[in-house]
Amino acid sequence: QVQLVQSGAEVKKPGASVKVSCKASGYTFTSYGFTWVRQAPGQGLEWMGWISAYNGNTNYAQNLQGRVTMTTDTSTSTVYMELRSLTSDDTAVYYCARYWDWNDGFDPWGQGTLVTVSS
Amino acid sequence: DVVMTQSPLSLPVTLGQPASISCRSSQSLVHSNGNTYLNWFQQRPGQSPRRLIFKVSNRDSGVPDSFSGSGSGTDFTLKISRVEAEDVGVYYCMQGTHWPPAFGQGTKLEIK
Repeated sequence: QVQLVQSGAEVKKPGASVKVSCKASGYTFTSYGFTWVRQAPGQGLEWMGWISAYNGNTNYAQNLQGRVTMTTDTSTSTVYMELRSLTSDDTAVYYCARYWDWNDGFDPWGQGTLVTVSS
Repeated sequence: DVVMTQSPLSLPVTLGQPASISCRSSQSLVHSNGNTYLNWFQQRPGQSPRRLIFKVSNRDSGVPDSFSGSGSGTDFTLKISRVEAEDVGVYYCMQGTHWPPAFGQGTKLEIK
């Protein structure tokens, strides 16, 4: 079955960077795209951007432009999301999710990765 | 950017009773291709979100037929015909017509 397995929780200091991975299995990796969505504690869902696993094309949310980079490694069917210059506002659970047509939303989702930014 | 507004934000429901969640968009969600890209997600406590419905009314595989979506233009509704204990969680609408995609604030469904 289709599965997205994310890397474990991270604790980072303000100003640092974090790189979260999402390993896909159960289907042809390059046939779909991936999106990243984050959820601050007790808050709603915030779309961060997406990447095509077919050609690596990316599209990022305007408020994260310049701080976020999404990449893929087709040899390991893994997607990565790197976020730089972290502040306490970046403390959140980060989810990867797959899409066929982004217009139709995202499914399935990974289990989430908690990133805590604290001095 | 399109703003998605859900109501109510909190929804206490008696087991076996129906529930209804409203989602309104600040712009029409009718795409130039004729499709309307309004999706619904469920997030159970402690779990990742899961898509329930895409393009207004299409249920995902494995979603009970007690869930239904309807609406057009800027007004959409998610209905649960008979609420069960496993339906507890937060429900989000999401528009996929206009870039960037946007989620509603979420509606927390709980058992009364």
